[in-house]
Amino acid sequence: QQQVKQSPQSLIVQKGGISIINCAYENTAFDYFPWYQQFPGKGPALLIAIRPDVSEKKEGRFTISFNKSAKQFSLHIMDSQPGDSATYFCAAQRGGGADGLTFGKGTHLIIQP
Amino acid sequence: DAGVIQSPRHEVTEMGQEVTLRCKPISGHDYLFWYRQTMMRGLELLIYFNNNVPIDDSGMPEDRFSAKMPNASFSTLKIQPSEPRDSAVYFCASSLLPSGSQPQHFGDGTRLSIL
Repeated sequence: QQQVKQSPQSLIVQKGGISIINCAYENTAFDYFPWYQQFPGKGPALLIAIRPDVSEKKEGRFTISFNKSAKQFSLHIMDSQPGDSATYFCAAQRGGGADGLTFGKGTHLIIQP
Repeated sequence: DAGVIQSPRHEVTEMGQEVTLRCKPISGHDYLFWYRQTMMRGLELLIYFNNNVPIDDSGMPEDRFSAKMPNASFSTLKIQPSEPRDSAVYFCASSLLPSGSQPQHFGDGTRLSIL
């Protein structure tokens, strides 16, 4: 059972454009939703995270939008740059953080110069 | 500061052999997690420890897999006997507090190939 569904699987965006990645979850016990960025040969690294008591969180060019009723959340990358080319994973966690992460399948993002 | 350190970075071995993956978490972190990454299944949680005690091992695929944390600075994931379907990248991660408050810091993984 895939508890966190992520789309698209791959995405190509022109430099300066907006990259949008979507995720949906099933388990209403999830209460923490991070996004991780992974470069080839490296482990995932936390990019930005949100809790369900807010609908949006922005850090620099990265924004999470959260819709609790629809059980969906998304990552927006504004002014996308070639250095943003990586694989992005949404994740969900329950229990106030005292639990492992449930990851989406990942989105391979390519920013074309 | 040193991050999470995993060894070896690459391991190639034949089916049936014992494989031991090692992890040194960030000093002072209370939680340690083992994940597996494959193309088909993505990133999956295998097991995690809190203060060296296993808390949830429901993600461990089968009895061939075992994990230990003998002290706060070292953990192992062992596969015995190994099978080709165990080929994957295995990640270790640690966090200072429950991850809702602090991020999980990942190592760079061990790429395991079982022939």
